[in-house]
Amino acid sequence: DAKTTQPTSMDCAEGRAANLPCNHSTISGNEYVYWYRQIHSQGPQYIIHGLKNNETNEMASLIITEDRKSSTLILPHATLRDTAVYYCIVRVGYGQNFVFGPGTRLSVLP
Amino acid sequence: GAVVSQHPSWVICKSGTSVKIECRSLDFQATTMFWYRQFPKQSLMLMATSNEGSKATYEQGVEKDKFLINHASLTLSTLTVTSAHPEDSSFYICSARSLADSYNEQFFGPGTRLTVL
Repeated sequence: DAKTTQPTSMDCAEGRAANLPCNHSTISGNEYVYWYRQIHSQGPQYIIHGLKNNETNEMASLIITEDRKSSTLILPHATLRDTAVYYCIVRVGYGQNFVFGPGTRLSVLP
Repeated sequence: GAVVSQHPSWVICKSGTSVKIECRSLDFQATTMFWYRQFPKQSLMLMATSNEGSKATYEQGVEKDKFLINHASLTLSTLTVTSAHPEDSSFYICSARSLADSYNEQFFGPGTRLTVL
């Protein structure tokens, strides 16, 4: 699986958009970009995933650059409950497990 | 989304005893379940992959005789930590992949916190 790099930590004001970047410069053509988050002492929660097109769901938007070497997870209106560690993972489809890096610790501040 | 449960959510045991942790997929059938371990302030590390009806595949450095995994049905996998020691204290998380899932999404359980005294 391709390696990802994310900032160690970020702060965001409550109500503002949180933009979490992820670099995956060695991603191959058949690897998807997944985002999960982990709130303290809980299991990881799925957020969104994509291959090359931008994706949006009720939780977030995923913007993938045209060359697919980086992506940004956007939480449009961050709340205090969005404080968590966010993991960006790239992975081929069926048959592969997730490899978790250190992630980005997002703190949403009141 | 699909729901995965773990039991117990936390356990405290004495050194030398064995502890069993259950992972259940509540509303779907899981062909494959994964077991992760997470130490404080660290990321999740995959321990093993279990497929229903076959032996688990362990990651390098994980002792298969210490961490016994059984995946006897499409909705249940168990992890038994045998002869637990304080260094086994950790947060154990399972995930499950649906038989019917075309996106290969994994659904994670809430985790089990093990403390060995």
